[in-house]
Amino acid sequence: DAGVTQSPTHLIKTRGQQVTLRCSPISGHKSVSWYQQVLGQGPQFIFQYYEKEERGRGNFPDRFSARQFPNYSSELNVNALLLGDSALYLCASSQRDGNQPQHFGDGTRLSIL
Amino acid sequence: AQSVTQLDSHVSVSEGTPVLLRCNYSSSYSPSLFWYVQHPNKGLQLLLKYTSAATLVKGINGFEAEFKKSETSFHLTKPSAHMSDAAEYFCVVSERGFQKLVFGTGTRLLVSP
Repeated sequence: DAGVTQSPTHLIKTRGQQVTLRCSPISGHKSVSWYQQVLGQGPQFIFQYYEKEERGRGNFPDRFSARQFPNYSSELNVNALLLGDSALYLCASSQRDGNQPQHFGDGTRLSIL
Repeated sequence: AQSVTQLDSHVSVSEGTPVLLRCNYSSSYSPSLFWYVQHPNKGLQLLLKYTSAATLVKGINGFEAEFKKSETSFHLTKPSAHMSDAAEYFCVVSERGFQKLVFGTGTRLLVSP
């Protein structure tokens, strides 16, 4: 079975632009979470979606938004990009909500110029 | 609030010698604890998890960790290091029943021949 897939793998944007990152969970997984990993740090929780509803939100500004589609795939949107948004964005999926093991994709590397 | 502290930013071992990566946690509730590994330019792979069953948890690739409530520790060990173990290791805590993962700052394991 395919793992969590994220696209694109790399992306270069300039300050002020908007970006959309995509995630396809493992087949049968209904929960998707997004994390931001700045170079040299551990990942930081951004959002969790389960059955198309937002279940959790981390300490990120409103420029960050996400949604989950009926097929359980998800998009993360970031508006008005700042240099500090440069990071590896990781998507994780799990079968259900609650304490389920989360499986991570390889991430999207976003660079802001 | 939950947090984890990884006591070493770097650990260097020789191939064939034991590995010890240290982690202390702080949680107001009964925590779930995890260890994840990240190889360069890759996503995160779950090594093992503790969710209130046996305090000694066995994971993949010969790793294991022991939950010690009295010491609030969850150290990761392996009897004999392999070159392929060189990677970044993250200790992670979550509140029981919730998906949000809180990561430590990571420990880079270096394995020399």
